[in-house]
Amino acid sequence: DVKVTQSSRYLVKRTGEKVFLECVQDMDHENMFWYRQDPGLGLRLIYFSYDVKMKEKGDIPEGYSVSREKKERFSLILESASTNQTSMYLCASSLWDLAGGPGTQYFGPGTRLTVL
Amino acid sequence: QQPVQSPQAVILREGEDAVINCSSSKALYSVHWYRQKHGEAPVFLMILLKGGEQKGHEKISASFNEKKQQSSLYLTASQLSYSGTYFCGTETRMEYGNKLVFGAGTILRVKS
Repeated sequence: DVKVTQSSRYLVKRTGEKVFLECVQDMDHENMFWYRQDPGLGLRLIYFSYDVKMKEKGDIPEGYSVSREKKERFSLILESASTNQTSMYLCASSLWDLAGGPGTQYFGPGTRLTVL
Repeated sequence: QQPVQSPQAVILREGEDAVINCSSSKALYSVHWYRQKHGEAPVFLMILLKGGEQKGHEKISASFNEKKQQSSLYLTASQLSYSGTYFCGTETRMEYGNKLVFGAGTILRVKS
């Protein structure tokens, strides 16, 4: 079974703090993704990576950065946390499918971040 | 560019049927369906590729009309375990590889 783990289930930070969210997958997947989930807005893509040291902006990258130094690990960084970044953050990983698409995504349990 | 899902929410009694729709304004390469139970991570249900195929998973099936850029998820004889939020993800082309964009979700609640 694919396992995607996230460093914390719940996190409380103060405005202006630098926040690191870690994600690790154990199935040698090339692709990794960071989403935020807010009520009524669904899953919105923040950043993704198709290879080590490679990153691409998703639909809502402002205020975030990422790091992928190893294939199995993908980190999301909030340089200076703000209250509007309070949300559930989900990490996912996948293999390319046979048609060259992003493939079935396996999600981690999520980190609920509260910024005070 | 987020696909539009309808309805936003639906309440069923056990044994009833439901249809969840997903439509996009962009040309699609595939449609993915996921279900997220309360407090859990989203879990993959099925993928539909170009070609108008229909797929099934137990009593849950889906269709994909690539010309209309629409997909529908059919839940028949619903069970309590079907409760959750259903997301469609639409695959669209990008220069460095296709990406998946998720809809806002449809909340399904099955009552006994």
